[in-house]
Amino acid sequence: DIQMTQSPSSLSASVGDRVTITCQASQDISNYLNWYQQKPGKAPKLLIYDASNLETGVPSRFSGSGSGTDFTFTISSLQPEDIATYYCQQYDNLLMYTFGQGTKLEIK
Amino acid sequence: QVQLQESGPGLVKPSQTLSLTCTVSGGSISSGDYYWSWIRQPPGKGLEWIGYIYYSGSTYYNPSLKSRVTISVDTSKNQFSLKLSSVTAADTAVYYCARGWVTAAGSFRFDPWGQGTLVTVSS
Repeated sequence: DIQMTQSPSSLSASVGDRVTITCQASQDISNYLNWYQQKPGKAPKLLIYDASNLETGVPSRFSGSGSGTDFTFTISSLQPEDIATYYCQQYDNLLMYTFGQGTKLEIK
Repeated sequence: QVQLQESGPGLVKPSQTLSLTCTVSGGSISSGDYYWSWIRQPPGKGLEWIGYIYYSGSTYYNPSLKSRVTISVDTSKNQFSLKLSSVTAADTAVYYCARGWVTAAGSFRFDPWGQGTLVTVSS
C-alpha cells in the first residue's frame, strides 16, 4: 500500500505569510495527488488536482507542485478564511486511496 | 447538481454491525463512471478511505477493513450503503459518503461529499 507522509501536522502563521505544506509518497505516484481543505464540521473541499492544477473557483493564492514522491502545497499570502486542516490524497491506481495525516493551520 | 446525504443510527453497540445509507439526489447513481465511496474520520483525526462500489456493481475495500466491510447499492432508491461488522470504539468516527470520479483529462477526485454523520460505538 502507498503511504502518504504529510508535514507539519500543525502550523501557526500570520495573515499575509507564505505557508508551505509537504506530502511525501512511499512510492512513485507520478502526479496523482490532490489537496483538500477541511473546515471544522464540514466535508473536505478539493483545491488542487493532479498535484498542480487549481480547481475552478479556488483563489489563486493556493498552489501545488511536485511529482513522483515529493509534493508541496503553498498559500502565497495567508488569509483569515484559510484557517482549516489540509490533506493530501493519492490516487495512483484507482484501487486504493490514501490521505495524508493532515496539517492544521492556525493564525498566529 | 448532485448531492449526497448520509443517514443511519448515531449510536451502535460494540460487536454489532454499523449500517449507513447514502442517498444521491440530482442525478442517477447508475449513470456515469463513478466510484461511490465511503470515507471516515475519527474525532480529531485524519481521513480514511473505507471502500467503493463502482457504477458497474464491483466493489473494492481498504485492505485494513476488508474483512468487516460490505458496500452495496440500491438503484431503485438511488442509494448506496455501508455495513461494518464487529465494531469497536475504534470505529467511532464521522462517516462521509462521496462520489469518486475521473475527469475527461484523467484526474480523479472525491466530489461531492455528503455532510457526514457521526457514529459512536458505545454500550
